Amino acid sequence: QVQLQESGPGLVKPSETLSLTCTVSGYSISSGYYWGCIRQPPGKGLEWIGNIYHSGNTYYNPSLKSRVTISVDTSKNQFSLKLSSVTAADTAVYYCARAAYYGSGFYLDYWGQGALVTVSS
Amino acid sequence: QSVLTQSPSVSGAPGQRVTISCTGSSSNIGAGFDVHWYQHLPGTTPKVLIYGSTNRPSGVPDRFSGSKSATSASLAITGLQAEDEGEYYCQSYDSSLSGSVFGGGTKLTVL
Repeated sequence: QVQLQESGPGLVKPSETLSLTCTVSGYSISSGYYWGCIRQPPGKGLEWIGNIYHSGNTYYNPSLKSRVTISVDTSKNQFSLKLSSVTAADTAVYYCARAAYYGSGFYLDYWGQGALVTVSS
Repeated sequence: QSVLTQSPSVSGAPGQRVTISCTGSSSNIGAGFDVHWYQHLPGTTPKVLIYGSTNRPSGVPDRFSGSKSATSASLAITGLQAEDEGEYYCQSYDSSLSGSVFGGGTKLTVL
């Protein structure tokens, strides 16, 4: 069974960088699939942040692209999200997920439990 | 304002049928990009219900079905159950934005 677990600081100061690590178990990242990050601000809907392949190929949400970096560490079976220059608007539950490509796009077939990250001084 | 538009809420009595709509445009659903649907129940992680507009992953009951036409898609739930109460999201790809987009979500209430 594929499982994903998010980890990282739950509180980040404004203007600093949010860091989140996603640890995958039950499946080797090197075996394929894209791996994605999604967030949900309090009381709002889901927002796609970006995807990464085990080779390091990435796709980012254009609205966040200037601040986002997703990287992969196949030796640890992990991928990581960094979001720079955060503001209160970046407060959200951040999810990691496996992205399965189908036809002309992808869907998210396994999700982590999510991690609440609050941006506050 | 989400690129994909969903009604904020829908309700139905146990056993009834409800539909949840997802309206897009010529740069996403209307361009032929697939629509995927997720169920997000309180206290749980989102779960894919429908992928590729009409396909159900194994383990998803056949009470859930998806359809797509022109610039919109729909999720139908038959035989409504109390445990279906939660939030439902559609997702597709938008060529103008060059990325994946979600609908704003529809809250399903089982009366």
